[in-house]
Amino acid sequence: EVQLVESGGGLVQPGRSLKLSCAASGFTFSDYNMAWVRQAPTKGLEWVASISYGGSNTHYGDSVKGRFTISRDNAKSTLYLQMDSLRSEDTATYYCARRDDGTYYYWGQGTLVTVSS
Amino acid sequence: NTVMTQSPTSMFTSVGDRVTMSCKASQNVGINVGWYQQKTGQSPKRLIYWASNRDTGVPDRFTGSGSGTDFTLTISNMQAEDPAIYYCLQHNSYPLTFGSGTKLEIK
Repeated sequence: EVQLVESGGGLVQPGRSLKLSCAASGFTFSDYNMAWVRQAPTKGLEWVASISYGGSNTHYGDSVKGRFTISRDNAKSTLYLQMDSLRSEDTATYYCARRDDGTYYYWGQGTLVTVSS
Repeated sequence: NTVMTQSPTSMFTSVGDRVTMSCKASQNVGINVGWYQQKTGQSPKRLIYWASNRDTGVPDRFTGSGSGTDFTLTISNMQAEDPAIYYCLQHNSYPLTFGSGTKLEIK
């Protein structure tokens, strides 16, 4: 069974950093492109970043470019999102997702990040 | 960036109704579109990929269609478990972009 389990969310002050993790199981992690998608409270879905199966290609949304870094450790079957210079507008539930047939089929349950002083 | 415009923003419907919602892309995205259903408190669930392919286990009352800039999700026979927010997503070019969603409610 495919499982994606996010962790690392919490309350953080503006300007500080936080690193999210997504532990994958039930499939060969290194075979799949992965992504982070977020959802601010009561708002819609926003694609944040994606990474190729080998880790060599990354892409970012305009709102996080230069502040967030997506990475992966295929030996540990884990996806990461390093978030720096956090802003109040980064407050959201962050989902990791696996790319299948173009878009994202498997999603984690999400981890909540709250940026507030 | 490709903007995905969904309409209507919300709609009320009755069990048994045929429901149609739209997603319009600001530029040609081919068939690089997926549709998602998100119920309150849950992660999104993909229903449709490559614009018209139904995911395994998705009831056949859900149908996706379209190509280029105009896409449609149709629910042929609304059921009590279908109220949710429905999103389209284009993956033709980066940054990937979601529509703002259509909230579907039962009258």
